[in-house]
Amino acid sequence: EAGVAQSPRYKIIEKRQSVAFWCNPISGHATLYWYQQILGQGPKLLIQFQNNGVVDDSQLPKDRFSAERLKGVDSTLKIQPAKLEDSAVYLCASEVGAGGLGEQFFGPGTRLTVL
Amino acid sequence: GENVEQHPSTLSVQEGDSAVIKCTYSDSASNYFPWYKQELGKRPQLIIDIRSNVGEKKDQRIAVTLNKTAKHFSLHITETQPEDSAVYFCAASIAGGFKTIFGAGTRLFVKA
Repeated sequence: EAGVAQSPRYKIIEKRQSVAFWCNPISGHATLYWYQQILGQGPKLLIQFQNNGVVDDSQLPKDRFSAERLKGVDSTLKIQPAKLEDSAVYLCASEVGAGGLGEQFFGPGTRLTVL
Repeated sequence: GENVEQHPSTLSVQEGDSAVIKCTYSDSASNYFPWYKQELGKRPQLIIDIRSNVGEKKDQRIAVTLNKTAKHFSLHITETQPEDSAVYFCAASIAGGFKTIFGAGTRLFVKA
């Protein structure tokens, strides 16, 4: 079984630029999560999708972050414009069920550096 | 808001000793408590989980206990080995699709 795929693996941008990350979850997984992991901290949930609907985006800075999961499969997370404090690893995870029921499978992450 | 506190932030043990990591959650509706291990530069991976209808669960050298009344749960690793060195995260969530909140992590060092 293929795991969660993310791209790019690394990205360096200047502040105020835009950036987009892509995630392909495990086939058949209904729930998809985007997390922000700042160095030395635990993953912080940004947004949670069940199929193509948003379950929770209460911690997503909506003035600059946006995410979509078209057709309930792949997802993209965008930051526009980026700030220095956005430097972090962005992790995508998927879960087979409705969310909060079992194991989340994480992708390798995208390490973002904002200069 | 909801919160998960994790202690200690760093733990150093001698190979063969036991390690205990503790977490406290704030939302009494939480009913699923996973533990993830993250090795340096790698993705978090589930090592054990427990649901609110169970007080204890064990898998070889790893065990998790849950005290719903006190709203805390703990990870126990016995006979630690150098390959157990990693960052361990606890988490709490509500089954049915609500947010998963992670603790800040515990960096475990197992000295050979």
